[in-house]
Amino acid sequence: QIQLVQSGPELKKPGESVKISCKASGYTFTDYAMHWVKQAPGKGLKWMGWINTYTGKPTYADDFKGRFVFSLEASASTANLQISNLKNEDTATYFCAREGKRDPGFDYWGQGVMVTVSS
Amino acid sequence: DIVMTQSPSSLAVSAGETVTINCKSSQSLLYSGNQKNYLAWYQQKPGQSPKLLIYWASTRQSGVPDRFIGSGSGTDFTLTISSVQAEDLAIYYCQQYYDTYTFGAGTKLELK
Repeated sequence: QIQLVQSGPELKKPGESVKISCKASGYTFTDYAMHWVKQAPGKGLKWMGWINTYTGKPTYADDFKGRFVFSLEASASTANLQISNLKNEDTATYFCAREGKRDPGFDYWGQGVMVTVSS
Repeated sequence: DIVMTQSPSSLAVSAGETVTINCKSSQSLLYSGNQKNYLAWYQQKPGQSPKLLIYWASTRQSGVPDRFIGSGSGTDFTLTISSVQAEDLAIYYCQQYYDTYTFGAGTKLELK
């Protein structure tokens, strides 16, 4: 069955970096785009951007340009999100989500990774 | 950027009621080339990941019960849940994918 399994929770200090992984299984990884979505505690969903899993090209939403990097380990069917120079406002749950190939919408989601930034 | 405005922000319902959630976009989501509306609806239960319910404004995702009905076109869209069940208590988000992607702020469905 199709699954997106993300890495575990992270506790970081301001200024540090974090790398979150999203391992896909049950389908051909390079056939589907992978998106990243942020959800701050008690808040709604915010689209961060996506990565073309075939070419590796990332696209970032305006609010996520600069400190955020999407990358792939295609041989391991894994997408990664790295956040550098962490700030308190980066405290959130980060989801990866697959976009349908033929039909739109994010049809499969990872379980989410809680990143807490605190001194 | 396209702004998505949902209303109401919360809604208290009793089991068996029919509820309507509204979503308005700041520009039309109807693409003239294929006459499709680039809008999706998601359900997020507490502590869970979001779940895709509807895409193309009115097409139910596989496995979604037919009590979930999406409608609307252009800038005004509606998610109707007929005969609400306890398991439907969640936050519902609309999302546009006409120009990049934007979510609405969400509508929380609570038990009366």
